[in-house]
Order: sequence, then C-alpha cells, then structure tokens
Amino acid sequence: DAGVIQSPRHEVTEMGQEVTLRCKPISGHDYLFWYRQTMMRGLELLIYFNNNVPIDDSGMPEDRFSAKMPNASFSTLKIQPSEPRDSAVYFCASSFTGGVTNEKLFFGSGTQLSVL
Amino acid sequence: GQQLNQSPQSMFIQEGEDVSMNCTSSSIFNTWLWYKQEPGEGPVLLIALYKAGELTSNGRLTAQFGITRKDSFLNISASIPSDVGIYFCAGSHRDDKIIFGKGTRLHILP
Repeated sequence: DAGVIQSPRHEVTEMGQEVTLRCKPISGHDYLFWYRQTMMRGLELLIYFNNNVPIDDSGMPEDRFSAKMPNASFSTLKIQPSEPRDSAVYFCASSFTGGVTNEKLFFGSGTQLSVL
Repeated sequence: GQQLNQSPQSMFIQEGEDVSMNCTSSSIFNTWLWYKQEPGEGPVLLIALYKAGELTSNGRLTAQFGITRKDSFLNISASIPSDVGIYFCAGSHRDDKIIFGKGTRLHILP
C-alpha cells in the first residue's frame, strides 16, 4: 500500500496568492482529515470528511480556507488569499472505521507551506 | 472546546534511561491514543487504549488509560537513539474528532 500521498511536499508562495494542497487517501478508507501543525498551536484539526461528505469544518480558521473531496480518492485544501500566518505544515490523514471506530489515523508526509 | 495538556514539553535523557510522559484532558475521552512523529514525516500510531484502567504494551512502550478517563500515560523503557522524536497523545470523545496534545519532544544524549 502506498499510504496517504500529499502534494506538494513544499510550497513557497507570496502573500495574496492562492494555494492548493492535495491529498490521496489510502484506498478503502472512509474518513479523511486535514490538520495544520505549528510550533505554537501543535496539531489542529481543520476539517474532516466521512464518505466524501464534510462532517465538521469548525476548525477551519476563516473563509479564506476551503476543502473539497470530490471522490473517495482525492481531496484538496485551498487557501485564497494566502497570508504569512498561514505558514505551517499541513497534514492529511485517513482512516477506516469498519463501522466501529476511526482512531487509527494514517498520516501523509505533510506539505510545508511558507507564505512570504 | 476540548483541550489536551501534555507534559513535559521536552525531555533530555541519557540512552538507556526510562521515560515517562503524560496527558490530561479537560473532559472525558472514550479513546486515548499515542503517536510518534519523526522529522519530515507525519505522526504514526503507537498505542490505542479503549477502556478506563487499560494497560497496553508495544515492545518497550507501555501506555495506560487513566481511571478518571481524563488522563493517560506513556512509558518507554531502556531508551535507544531511535526513540528520538515528538510523542503526541490524542483522544476522542463521542464523535469522530481526534484531538491532539502539543507533544513531548524526546532528546537522547549519547
């Protein structure tokens, strides 16, 4: 299994530009999570999907952030317009519940975002 | 909202020493989890705990689900250089959210 695949690994952009982060979850997993990691705030849950449907987006910082999951094998996190304070590592994770629990998250390697 | 307080924030220990870290919550959790993150990678699940009082081991790692359901502990015995990394506790309540602590950075001195 290839694991959770995120792209790009690194993104450097200028303030005001649109940024799109991509994620391919593990095949067969029914949950997908987007987290943001910073030194100050640790790992913050931004949004998660179940069977491609957004369940809770209360962690999304503001309207500049949006996430989509058009199908079971692809999700995007978009920031428009980007700001320097958005600089962080963004992780995508997926899990399979089997109808039980979903705590066994498998994380991608993350996208290191730097907004200048 | 739910918060996890993890301590200590960082640890410097000698190789071969035992390590203890803990996590406390402002509310009750149904599941406690411990993850490890190495540089440039995402966190990897080490141990999952499902019942109050549960004690679970994974090699040299042992974790416990606190009786109050508001805390959890992780112990590492006889530390080795590859134990270096950031250890995160995480928990979930009734819904599907997984909330993470801020992590304990483990440094091992030769």
